[in-house]
Amino acid sequence: SQQGEEDPQALSIQEGENATMNCSYKTSINNLQWYRQNSGRGLVHLILIRSNEREKHSGRLRVTLDTSKKSSSLLITASRAADTASYFCATVPTGANNLFFGTGTRLTVIP
Amino acid sequence: DAGVTQSPTHLIKTRGQQVTLRCSPKSGHDTVSWYQQALGQGPQFIFQYYEEEERQRGNFPDRFSGHQFPNYSSELNVNALLLGDSALYLCASSLNGHFYGYTFGSGTRLTVV
Repeated sequence: SQQGEEDPQALSIQEGENATMNCSYKTSINNLQWYRQNSGRGLVHLILIRSNEREKHSGRLRVTLDTSKKSSSLLITASRAADTASYFCATVPTGANNLFFGTGTRLTVIP
Repeated sequence: DAGVTQSPTHLIKTRGQQVTLRCSPKSGHDTVSWYQQALGQGPQFIFQYYEEEERQRGNFPDRFSGHQFPNYSSELNVNALLLGDSALYLCASSLNGHFYGYTFGSGTRLTVV
């Protein structure tokens, strides 16, 4: 089964608005990563946050992590049509060497 | 610096047949992981290879097997194909012990008819 779940499953916004996606996971983690996938092709790494970090920024991306609630959020500010894609959170559980993915959020940015 | 290369891009097989998918990792990476992604779902971990051995395995039957070669490239084999095996198969490479630098290939789209 999936390591985590994402919410919402789908999100549609106007260009220029902010998009927020949430991820919940089940076990203790080493780190949590967010990936983007266009049209069912390869996954592109966006940002990583370690278990001892609470917030991280990269360009228009902001990620938060709450290990007590086993949850994370990804905020994309000032969205663009090119941000249209599926976004997945993935965790590296403590003691593991691989990624476990969530169910994904399908983001549509309307020009 | 080449990224992860997967072949073939698309593949159509008949139920009961066997298939082999191939992956060349990013230069400098020594660990290869395979994922299955059904339509509309997140990727599911199949197994990971390091030092030519299967190090970790997800919840997949023995019909799924793999191999890693001395040059770190890898193959995924699926025997006795089922319709439910239709999916995008993704390969990811990384450097052992480094949880940060996963690089994914573009995947192989397998259709079983």
